[in-house]
Amino acid sequence: KQEVTQIPAALSVPEGENLVLNCSFTDSAIYNLQWFRQDPGKGLTSLLLIQSSQREQTSGRLNASLDKSSGRSTLYIAASQPGDSATYLCAVTNNAGNMLTFGGGTRLMVKP
Amino acid sequence: DAGITQSPRHKVTETGTPVTLRCHQTENHRYMYWYRQDPGHGLRLIHYSYGVKDTDKGEVSDGYSVSRSKTEDFLLTLESATSSQTSVYFCATSSGGQETQYFGPGTRLLVL
Repeated sequence: KQEVTQIPAALSVPEGENLVLNCSFTDSAIYNLQWFRQDPGKGLTSLLLIQSSQREQTSGRLNASLDKSSGRSTLYIAASQPGDSATYLCAVTNNAGNMLTFGGGTRLMVKP
Repeated sequence: DAGITQSPRHKVTETGTPVTLRCHQTENHRYMYWYRQDPGHGLRLIHYSYGVKDTDKGEVSDGYSVSRSKTEDFLLTLESATSSQTSVYFCATSSGGQETQYFGPGTRLLVL
């Protein structure tokens, strides 16, 4: 059974810092990996999707990397802003494409 | 946003009563999903649909049933609600099983 772990569970940083969120998964037989953002009381917003054949994806200040063989992904946020405060979730899609397994999330607070 | 609405947004019900949650999408996505989100467990897949009248079970399907009679609507039914089904329920859609999933705003269900 796939298990996805995110460390740290919570993170507080001052505005302007660059930061890295970590995601690890136990079964490397994945089709892709997605990073989502969730604001309190809201649904999830997709940030980046990395196919299993890719090493990284970038969108603005966000960069996500994937090392499938070691079962790890990182989300790099450059020059963090208070508006980045949210919970960040990673999720992996199995090879059959019918199951998304989520990590527990990292709750990020960026202080002005 | 993929034009996903969920109804109701909040519901309080009593143990043993039936409850139906509705997900409606305007993007003509083929796949639709129901998740529940609980502290300590993260997001877990309940059921999903890969086409009209085509559904399958997810990780935590016991006590839940689904129906999809039209592309745009996916219903989740708790036949006899229990307190353990108190949760936040999210609907999601995607154009393909391995594509980005788009989430609705969620339904908060309290079973007393």
